[in-house]
Parts: sequence; structure tokens; C-alpha cells
Amino acid sequence: DQQVKQNSPSLSVQEGRISILNCDYTNSMFDYFLWYKKYPAEGPTFLISISSIKDKNEDGRFTVFLNKSAKHLSLHIVPSQPGDSAVYFCAARSKTSYDKVIFGPGTSLSVIP
Amino acid sequence: KAGVTQTPRYLIKTRGQQVTLSCSPISGHRSVSWYQQTPGQGLQFLFEYFSETQRNKGNFPGRFSGRQFSNSRSEMNVSTLELGDSALYLCASSLDFTSGAYEQYFGPGTRLTVT
Repeated sequence: DQQVKQNSPSLSVQEGRISILNCDYTNSMFDYFLWYKKYPAEGPTFLISISSIKDKNEDGRFTVFLNKSAKHLSLHIVPSQPGDSAVYFCAARSKTSYDKVIFGPGTSLSVIP
Repeated sequence: KAGVTQTPRYLIKTRGQQVTLSCSPISGHRSVSWYQQTPGQGLQFLFEYFSETQRNKGNFPGRFSGRQFSNSRSEMNVSTLELGDSALYLCASSLDFTSGAYEQYFGPGTRLTVT
């Protein structure tokens, strides 16, 4: 039973345009969400996070939006750059189990020059 | 500050053998988590350690075990290896969540191939 879902395995975007990566979750006890980026042969690196008390968090070109009622979050990258090409993982922590992080299957983003 | 280090980076074992992987967290980080990554499955949570105690465990068989030492370094062990254990094993460290630090810092992983 996958509690964190990323339904698009891959996404292609032109350089300079907006990339939108989506994530859905099923567990209503999740109250902290994170996005990680992973390049081949490297471990994931933390990108941005959002607490369930917020609906938006912004850091430079990266913005995460949270819609609690829909149990949906999205990561926006504007403008997209070729160096953003990587696998993006959505992850969530539960208020009942902060020491356990649940990751989605990832979305592979390709930014085309 | 040095990042998370994992050794070895690559490992080839045969079915039935056992393997031990090592992880050194970022200095000052006391929480260490282990994940298994296979194609299409994302990162599957194995277990988390804090102050030498396992606080949480994922849905993996008992062949997967781990431990943490007093210096926060951690090891994970897989006994009686199966072909399906071939994967990238990732270690991540973090400050304890009680300090409000929820993000984890990952090592480069150990690529295990079981033949």
C-alpha cells in the first residue's frame, strides 16, 4: 500500500519553462513533507520542505504547494534549467512517527536545452 | 563539514552469503536511517537508529538488521542473501527531529549485487 504516490514516472520540459512535479498521499497523519533531488550515482539531496500548517513554501526557483484537503502537493521549478534534470522524490513524515520517512517512487525530470 | 560516507560503494555477493554495510553520519548527527532503493520502488525505509537504539523499522524480513555505535556510526547486515536483495542501499543522517530538523542528508549509497 503506497502511502506516497508520484503518478508521473517521467516529465520533459523545455529550458526556461515551468516544471511541475506532483505528489499525492493517503495518510492523513502526515504533517511534514519534503522534496529530494537525486542524480545518478549520488544519494538524494534535500531540496525544500513544507509543514502542514502552511500551504506554500518558496526557496529561490523552487516552490512547494500543499493542498491538505486534496492530500496533494506539488513542486514548481521556475525557470527550469538543464542542471535540474534528475529524479525527484516526494517524502512525508507522520506526526505519530517522525523517525520514519515515507518516500514516493520518484519522477524523472528532463530539462531540454 | 564532511558528508555522510558509506562503505563499500560496490559489492558483489552470491546467494546465501551475508553482507555488512557501513555508514558514518555527519558529525553531530545522532539519527541514522537506512533505505533500500530498487528501480520503480523509490526508497523503502529499512530502519532508523538514535543513540544506539532502533526507534522504527520498515516492513523487511528479519534477515535485515542493523546497529548503531556510540559514535553514531551505523552498520546494516543482510543474512542469507537472495537475488531480490540486489539494490542500492542508502544511509541518511539527521539531527534529531525533536530539534525541529526534519531533513536528512544522504550518503552516496552502496550498490549491492547478488548473483
